[in-house]
Amino acid sequence: AQSVTQLDSHVSVSEGTPVLLRCNYSSSYSPSLFWYVQHPNKGLQLLLKYTSAATLVKGINGFEAEFKKSETSFHLTKPSAHMSDAAEYFCVAALLGRLYFGRGTQLTVWP
Amino acid sequence: GAGVSQTPSNKVTEKGKYVELRCDPISGHTALYWYRQSLGQGPEFLIYFQGTGAADDSGLPNDRFFAVRPEGSVSTLKIQRTERGDSAVYLCASSLKSYLPSTHEQFFGPGTRLTVL
Repeated sequence: AQSVTQLDSHVSVSEGTPVLLRCNYSSSYSPSLFWYVQHPNKGLQLLLKYTSAATLVKGINGFEAEFKKSETSFHLTKPSAHMSDAAEYFCVAALLGRLYFGRGTQLTVWP
Repeated sequence: GAGVSQTPSNKVTEKGKYVELRCDPISGHTALYWYRQSLGQGPEFLIYFQGTGAADDSGLPNDRFFAVRPEGSVSTLKIQRTERGDSAVYLCASSLKSYLPSTHEQFFGPGTRLTVL
């Protein structure tokens, strides 16, 4: 079975400060892992994906995530937040075509 | 060309009524997925198609829900005898292939917001 846990439902940061959105997964198999972002009234957009190649994955808009098997984690980071980063972020595991979404983390960026 | 499109964008119906939600995938994408996103939750898998056939419908909550994809392109999600608990955003996604490896990105539509009064 697959499950994904996002440890924070809300994260607030000031513009220009680092962002950390935490995700843990549990799986009977080596999963493919993704981060998706959902801006208000827009469709889900893929930020980055891990598929058992490099453990540090770089995505769009300066985001990156590191796969740590020993910690079963796939945290999303960005060195410097921008106002346009405010959105809902979903950590997602994939198995046999199905995507398993976490509950989401709402990121607020203060000026 | 265009991305995944879904119609209608909003649907308000009364309890007990029948509704159809439509999804137009990206041209050439053979795999199509339906998800349901309730308020404050992440999307939950409903069903996916590989071509015309439903490869996995284990996420459909009960037999009031049904989906078709007769020509391997457009898909319709059908809900009979709607209940207030069916209110949610219904998302459609498509990808080039279904799985193996599970790396093919799923492209999502904007969703249909269903409200059952």
